[in-house]
Amino acid sequence: EVQLVESGGELVQPGGSLRLSCAASGFTFSSSWMAWVRQPPGRGLEWLGNIKPDGSVKNYVDSVKGRFTFSRENGENSLFLQMNGLRAEDTAVYYCARDWAFQQFDYWGQGTLVTVSS
Amino acid sequence: QSALTQPASVSGSPGQSIAISCTGTSRDVGAYNYVSWYQQHPGKAPKLIIYDVTKRPSGVSNRFSGSKSGNTASLTISGLQADDEANYYCASYGSALFGGGTKLTVL
Repeated sequence: EVQLVESGGELVQPGGSLRLSCAASGFTFSSSWMAWVRQPPGRGLEWLGNIKPDGSVKNYVDSVKGRFTFSRENGENSLFLQMNGLRAEDTAVYYCARDWAFQQFDYWGQGTLVTVSS
Repeated sequence: QSALTQPASVSGSPGQSIAISCTGTSRDVGAYNYVSWYQQHPGKAPKLIIYDVTKRPSGVSNRFSGSKSGNTASLTISGLQADDEANYYCASYGSALFGGGTKLTVL
C-alpha cells in the first residue's frame, strides 16, 4: 500500500523557520520525482515545486524561491521541506505528492498544517 | 506562468451530467497532453481522477471522463451521485499551477 505521511507542521511566528518531513512507502521513492503542494485555509491548491529523484534538480515557484528548500534522503525514503522567513501568507496545509509524470500527481499525503502567526 | 481558469461552481441533480472547464493558453493546455484533474472532499487530500487529458487511474469510476479542445480542457461527470459533491482542480504541464478549483454541488 502506498503511503505518504507528512509531519512537522505547527504554529510558528512570522520570520521563523520550520522543517517538514514526508515519509514514503509502498513505491520506489528513489526513482520518483516528488512535489510539495500547499493549500491555504478555504482556498485552492498551489504547487510549490518539485525535486528530481537524485536531488540534483529542484524547481521552485516564485513565491517561495530563496526561502524554501527541498531535499530528500532516498536511503530513508524521506522528503523534506525547509521553510525560512515564514510569513502569514504561508499559512496552509502542506502536502507532499509524487510527481508521476509531467506535473501529474498520483499519490498524496494527508497534509500537515503550518500556521504562521504571532 | 499563468493560472488555469475554472468556473467557481457548478451544480447538477443526481443522475445528470455536468462538465467543468479548465482554460489555459497555447503554452500549457494547448501545447501538451498532460492535463490532470483532482477531486478533493472537505478535509481530505486531493485524489487524481484523470491524467494525460483522458486517462483514468485504476479504481476511478468510468463516470469521470476528460477531454481537450485547443486551450481548454474539460472534466465530465455523468450519472451524478451525492458523493461526487466536492472541489475539483485541473492542472497542466507548462503552467506549473493548478486551476482555481470548482465546487460541485449535487442538488
